[in-house]
Amino acid sequence: AQKITQTQPGMFVQEKEAVTLDCTYDTSDPSYGLFWYKQPSSGEMIFLIYQGSYDQQNATEGRYSLNFQKARKSANLVISASQLGDSAMYFCAMRLGSYSSASKIIFGSGTRLSIRP
Amino acid sequence: DTEVTQTPKHLVMGMTNKKSLKCEQHMGHRAMYWYKQKAKKPPELMFVYSYEKLSINESVPSRFSPECPNSSLLNLHLHALQPEDSALYLCASSQVPERSTDTQYFGPGTRLTVL
Repeated sequence: AQKITQTQPGMFVQEKEAVTLDCTYDTSDPSYGLFWYKQPSSGEMIFLIYQGSYDQQNATEGRYSLNFQKARKSANLVISASQLGDSAMYFCAMRLGSYSSASKIIFGSGTRLSIRP
Repeated sequence: DTEVTQTPKHLVMGMTNKKSLKCEQHMGHRAMYWYKQKAKKPPELMFVYSYEKLSINESVPSRFSPECPNSSLLNLHLHALQPEDSALYLCASSQVPERSTDTQYFGPGTRLTVL
């Protein structure tokens, strides 16, 4: 069965420090995509970064990078030089390919990140 | 541009009311989604429209009725809701729904309160 696990319900980090949010996944499908979303208190789900199962290099998007360790089935999000605006809920998600018309995305339970000034 | 818009932002309705949520995207995406999200929980998938046809219905009660008038628009018609249906309703769209590489882009959501 496909599953996404985020083991950190909440984290506190000092401003300007780097932070790593953990995510492990479970699937036997060789083709999958891994995503990270940020959800501020306003409610909007903001797409941050994507990693494909066949990608050789770790994905990076500005201050965000994804530490992809395929053998360990982990896809941790690294935020460099954290800012106060990074305080939010972060969801790790996985999507499989589908032979039907649409495939589902599976979300982890989320990590609430709080940045201290 | 990766914008998905949703109206209204907030909605308060009684259990006997009929209301609709609206979602729109102009990115040429071929799939649109409705999610329900309770506080401190991840989003739960409700419906998926793929190429304007209902592709996935996650056993959602019939008091929620989706409609996809065209490839850019998605509605969610609400009737005889219960207080436990109060939640954040998120709409999303994506380009190629069959692929694992397909990114879903979300709208800002509608906060629904059922009295």
